Amino acid sequence: DQQVKQNSPSLSVQEGRISILNCDYTNSMFDYFLWYKKYPAEGPTFLISISSIKDKNEDGRFTVFLNKSAKHLSLHIVPSQPGDSAVFFCAASAQNSGNTPLVFGKGTRLSVIA
Amino acid sequence: DAGVIQSPRHEVTEMGQEVTLRCKPISGHNSLFWYRQTMMRGLELLIYFNNNVPIDDSGMPEDRFSAKMPNASFSTLKIQPSEPRDSAVYFCASSQRTSAHNEQFFGPGTRLTVL
Repeated sequence: DQQVKQNSPSLSVQEGRISILNCDYTNSMFDYFLWYKKYPAEGPTFLISISSIKDKNEDGRFTVFLNKSAKHLSLHIVPSQPGDSAVFFCAASAQNSGNTPLVFGKGTRLSVIA
Repeated sequence: DAGVIQSPRHEVTEMGQEVTLRCKPISGHNSLFWYRQTMMRGLELLIYFNNNVPIDDSGMPEDRFSAKMPNASFSTLKIQPSEPRDSAVYFCASSQRTSAHNEQFFGPGTRLTVL
């Protein structure tokens, strides 16, 4: 059973507009959440994270929102750029430490159209 | 920093053959993770090591899979014998306990095809 779910396999957005990628989780023990970006033939690369004690974290064009009561998080990209076209993975861990494994969603493929 | 290094990048083998995937973590990282990516299951954890010691191998699908980490700079994932359903992309990742964002650093992956 998937503990981290990304229900939209793909998303298409026009350049300059906002991209919103969603993620839901079921395990209430998760307290740290990350987003990774993956280009073809490369490994996933870390994008942004958020601790469960926060509800928002912003880094440049990327903002992650966490709604702990709904067990839902989202990644906003504003403005979207063609170079953002990639697969985005949501991940969660049950401990705020780099030594614990991550549970990943299946990913959402974002296409930003020029 | 060279990042996480994996070899080979691509492997094509026949059913029944032994396959060995290799990983060199980032120097100074004390945790190493093996993940497998498939269309059906996405990215799933196979096994991870802390300070070269296997901590959780519950994700290893069968006894045909084994992993070792003889020292801090090298790990192998072995499949013997391989089967067509093992075809996937295998990623190695490393991290350190004090990482700023809990993040793991991934290698480029090994794309395995078992015919």
